[in-house]
Amino acid sequence: AQTVTQSQPEMSVQEAETVTLSCTYDTSESDYYLFWYKQPPSRQMILVIRQEAYKQQNATENRFSVNFQKAAKSFSLKISDSQLGDAAMYFCASHGYTGNQFYFGTGTSLTVIP
Amino acid sequence: KAGVTQTPRYLIKTRGQQVTLSCSPISGHRSVSWYQQTPGQGLQFLFEYFSETQRNKGNFPGRFSGRQFSNSRSEMNVSTLELGDSALYLCASSLADRSSYEQYFGPGTRLTVT
Repeated sequence: AQTVTQSQPEMSVQEAETVTLSCTYDTSESDYYLFWYKQPPSRQMILVIRQEAYKQQNATENRFSVNFQKAAKSFSLKISDSQLGDAAMYFCASHGYTGNQFYFGTGTSLTVIP
Repeated sequence: KAGVTQTPRYLIKTRGQQVTLSCSPISGHRSVSWYQQTPGQGLQFLFEYFSETQRNKGNFPGRFSGRQFSNSRSEMNVSTLELGDSALYLCASSLADRSSYEQYFGPGTRLTVT
């Protein structure tokens, strides 16, 4: 089984500033994917970014980037130049190569202050 | 390409009744997963279907069941509804291919049990 832990229930950031959301995970699989999903108040979950564990290079998607530390089993999300539209619940998730299930963290609610 | 659709979007039922929720995945996606989302419990995995077969199941009572049709559309049924079943039910589809495990979520069905 896998577990995903998000230790920050709530975070806030000033508009245009940078914020980092934390995520740690535990898995017995050697190959796996990690994801960050965003759920705005409208409730539609959106994939933000994904990382394949065998890749050492950190994934980036425009203003979103990750800091993947495989040995430490850490997978944090950095949002640069925060915008009001970034306000949402963010979920960290993992999926093993051999398993058929996503494991989600409990989420971090991000507030962007104008 | 059309996204994941879920019907109905909102539902109000009475304790003891049963309910059926529907999910149409993205065209070409053969895997459909169901989640229950509540403020206190976060995202809880219900089950996953792939090519009409249930591949994985979460820790929910037998009152929760599902099925998948040959066109990959999926239904979830909850019998003998309880107040605690009030939640947002999310459906997610995926290629479930080793090269691409990311799930795409529907808007959810908000179930209220009175």
